[in-house]
Amino acid sequence: SAVISQKPSRDICQRGTSLTIQCQVDSQVTMMFWYRQQPGQSLTLIATANQGSEATYESGFVIDKFPISRPNLTFSTLTVSNMSPEDSSIYLCRAGGAEQFFGPGTRLTVL
Amino acid sequence: ELKVEQNPLFLSMQEGKNYTIYCNYSTTSDRLYWYRQDPGKSLESLFVLLSNGAVKQEGRLMASLDTKARLSTLHITAAVHDLSATYFCAVDGLDSYGKLTFGQGTILTVHP
Repeated sequence: SAVISQKPSRDICQRGTSLTIQCQVDSQVTMMFWYRQQPGQSLTLIATANQGSEATYESGFVIDKFPISRPNLTFSTLTVSNMSPEDSSIYLCRAGGAEQFFGPGTRLTVL
Repeated sequence: ELKVEQNPLFLSMQEGKNYTIYCNYSTTSDRLYWYRQDPGKSLESLFVLLSNGAVKQEGRLMASLDTKARLSTLHITAAVHDLSATYFCAVDGLDSYGKLTFGQGTILTVHP
């Protein structure tokens, strides 16, 4: 099973700024997924990041707000842009279509 | 659109008792996952169920899958306090290419 790491593990940011979250996998995977978990809620898929193509966003999420990069088969970044307090959430990445494992998550607080 | 519903959403149990969490989903699924989440933590994978009739057990937890009924259950036997957590089921639909749709989660509290 793949080992997934995320950076940063947590951050406190000011309104209007942006934060880039990194997700690193210890093996090559075709698909990587980014999820958001708002406080007290379940997980919602933000987008699917495939290497060599544009990310595919789910309904309610747009590239301008959540730009994603996927430069190779082991790495992806998610940027949360122009943040507001409503963006305070845990952001998690998952690697591989059939893999059940998630990264440790990034806890974001926006003031 | 794939929908996943769990019940109950809140479960307060006494130690030593048995209970079941239910996970219903709306369309044909390729696989079903159960996760545990402790406060402030990421998801811990418990089970992956791949076929109709699949049953998996780990300690006091047992998960099963009935694809015809589109139902999975997570059975807790002789609950202990350490099982207190939030439990999620997640479904990978046949045409969703690895995307998981999550249930609302069940907050389990086990009391002495």
